[in-house]
Amino acid sequence: GAGVSQSPSNKVTEKGKDVELRCDPISGHTALYWYRQRLGQGLEFLIYFQGNSAPDKSGLPSDRFSAERTGESVSTLTIQRTQQEDSAVYLCASATNGADRVFGEGSRLTVL
Amino acid sequence: GENVEQHPSTLSVQEGDSAVIKCTYSDSASNYFPWYKQELGKGPQLIIDIRSNVGEKKDQRIAVTLNKTAKHFSLHITETQPEDSAVYFCAASSRQAGTALIFGKGTTLSVSS
Repeated sequence: GAGVSQSPSNKVTEKGKDVELRCDPISGHTALYWYRQRLGQGLEFLIYFQGNSAPDKSGLPSDRFSAERTGESVSTLTIQRTQQEDSAVYLCASATNGADRVFGEGSRLTVL
Repeated sequence: GENVEQHPSTLSVQEGDSAVIKCTYSDSASNYFPWYKQELGKGPQLIIDIRSNVGEKKDQRIAVTLNKTAKHFSLHITETQPEDSAVYFCAASSRQAGTALIFGKGTTLSVSS
């Protein structure tokens, strides 16, 4: 597609439930990033995929968070046993070599 | 690790005035400094970046300056327009790709006509 597509755009869930957020990167972009943006805060790095290399998971805040990516295509961020502090906008970005990140519009997660 | 501070957190200007947003960073190895604009309900969009081999870069009404000695860089918007209203983020990294990009907390710019 023309841009980075994320779904759902909005998700409301109850505390303790699992959620899955999806990112469709721009075709041909080998790098894919997930960030978390809490209200009034900057972007917090979560995880980085680059081609077929092992992902950099150093930003994941706890073992309740995980992400997968199939080759150089779709990525899924999974949050298990959601907590209220997980409420945020989750942004995905993709990039190709030598170019900067292109961000999606984000998935807004609200945990009640 | 890198730490990026951004000021002010909010900035209100009249249309036609200039707006300046300032950031400081801590890691002297950082050499890539992008600025992003985020409109309501949208993802951040790169508007300009600067690398450590230059001190200033301009693109129409937007300019960025870098002082590596003092470890600070600034975004300057001249002749502001209402459509410039958005949240602006600075970031710093030792490289363009990868995980090292650290963001400031953002500045909400409001331009009133």
